[in-house]
Amino acid sequence: DAKTTQPNSMESNEEEPVHLPCNHSTISGTDYIHWYRQLPSQGPEYVIHGLTSNVNNRMASLAIAEDRKSSTLILHRATLRDAAVYYCILRAVLYNQGGKLIFGQGTELSVKP
Amino acid sequence: DTGVSQDPRHKITKRGQNVTFRCDPISEHNRLYWYRQTLGQGPEFLTYFQNEAQLEKSRLLSDRFSAERPKGSFSTLEIQRTEQGDSAMYLCASSLERGLALNEQFFGPGTRLTVL
Repeated sequence: DAKTTQPNSMESNEEEPVHLPCNHSTISGTDYIHWYRQLPSQGPEYVIHGLTSNVNNRMASLAIAEDRKSSTLILHRATLRDAAVYYCILRAVLYNQGGKLIFGQGTELSVKP
Repeated sequence: DTGVSQDPRHKITKRGQNVTFRCDPISEHNRLYWYRQTLGQGPEFLTYFQNEAQLEKSRLLSDRFSAERPKGSFSTLEIQRTEQGDSAMYLCASSLERGLALNEQFFGPGTRLTVL
């Protein structure tokens, strides 16, 4: 399984944008880039995913490098409720197979008021 | 639908005892996954079901662990002869997949197991 590298922790101020980086230099052509986050004492929750183009949804934006070897999750205005561990995951897409998520250490984001 | 539910939320047991956890996925979700998470680590994949068929098991799933999903609805994870190293959060997730396994997984709140 392809691996990702993320900083262990990051800090942000409330209502400021946050850019969470992820390196995945061994990504293959069938790997989608998924982001999940885990709030304290909860199960992980889906944030966003993409293949090649930048993606936006109500929670965040995902910026993918042209060579796909890195990506950045962007929270446009951090709130205290965004404090969580953010996981960048490469998910191989195989027809009628797989689908498991391989979690790394993730980035623990703290948000200061 | 209230999402994925797990029962119990907490379980304390003595070493050597058997424990069983239950997961109720979101209705109509055909995929069900089990993960284990220890303190300070990301979740680790254990096994998954497509409807009632168990299609993949991790090497982490020793012969003391068994999972079932009868009728393709709820699932149970049983650990026999528990050891202190089994202490962890056990997470269940479900998803609706049609062909390409791409859709988001919805996680339950987990069952925290403590083996004394």
